[in-house]
Amino acid sequence: AQTVTQSQPEMSVQEAETVTLSCTYDTSESNYYLFWYKQPPSRQMILVIRQEAYKQQNATENRFSVNFQKAAKSFSLKISDSQLGDTAMYFCAFIQGGSEKLVFGKGTKLTVNP
Amino acid sequence: DTAVSQTPKYLVTQMGNDKSIKCEQNLGHDTMYWYKQDSKKFLKIMFSYNNKELIINETVPNRFSPKSPDKAHLNLHINSLELGDSAVYFCASRPRASGFVGELFFGEGSRLTVL
Repeated sequence: AQTVTQSQPEMSVQEAETVTLSCTYDTSESNYYLFWYKQPPSRQMILVIRQEAYKQQNATENRFSVNFQKAAKSFSLKISDSQLGDTAMYFCAFIQGGSEKLVFGKGTKLTVNP
Repeated sequence: DTAVSQTPKYLVTQMGNDKSIKCEQNLGHDTMYWYKQDSKKFLKIMFSYNNKELIINETVPNRFSPKSPDKAHLNLHINSLELGDSAVYFCASRPRASGFVGELFFGEGSRLTVL
């Protein structure tokens, strides 16, 4: 079974600084996708960024980028120029190609301090 | 316009009662899901429906019964509620196209508290 591990339960960063959230996963499959979802205090889950396993290029979305290390099964999220609105739980997630079962890590609570 | 809407957003009830949570999406998506988030924020899939057909039933007690009257709606009915059912239940949907696999649109969640 696929597993997703987020080893940092909580992190904090000063506004405007950069922070990196870690995620590792375990799978024997070659066709899969990885995601970072954000859950602000309002509770609604929002997709931040997505990475296809077959793509070597790391995905970026504005201030959010990933460091995808396929051999190491590592998928970290970098947030640049952190803003107060980035305060949220961040979940790393994995899905096998052809599956509908999105597997989440336990989350990292990020606090951006003014 | 709310894309994925759940009702009620908060529900407090006694053990042993039966309750339902409704979910509707106006995005035209074919696939819908129920996820459960426990008190430690851990999210786990419960059910998935594709165009009214059940495709994932993830070892959930049979006290939980999803129903999809049409592809825009996926309701969750829970019988004989137990303390351990207290959680936030999220409905989600995604477009049918394979390019959107894993890209879920979530509702705001329904917080169920069983006393």
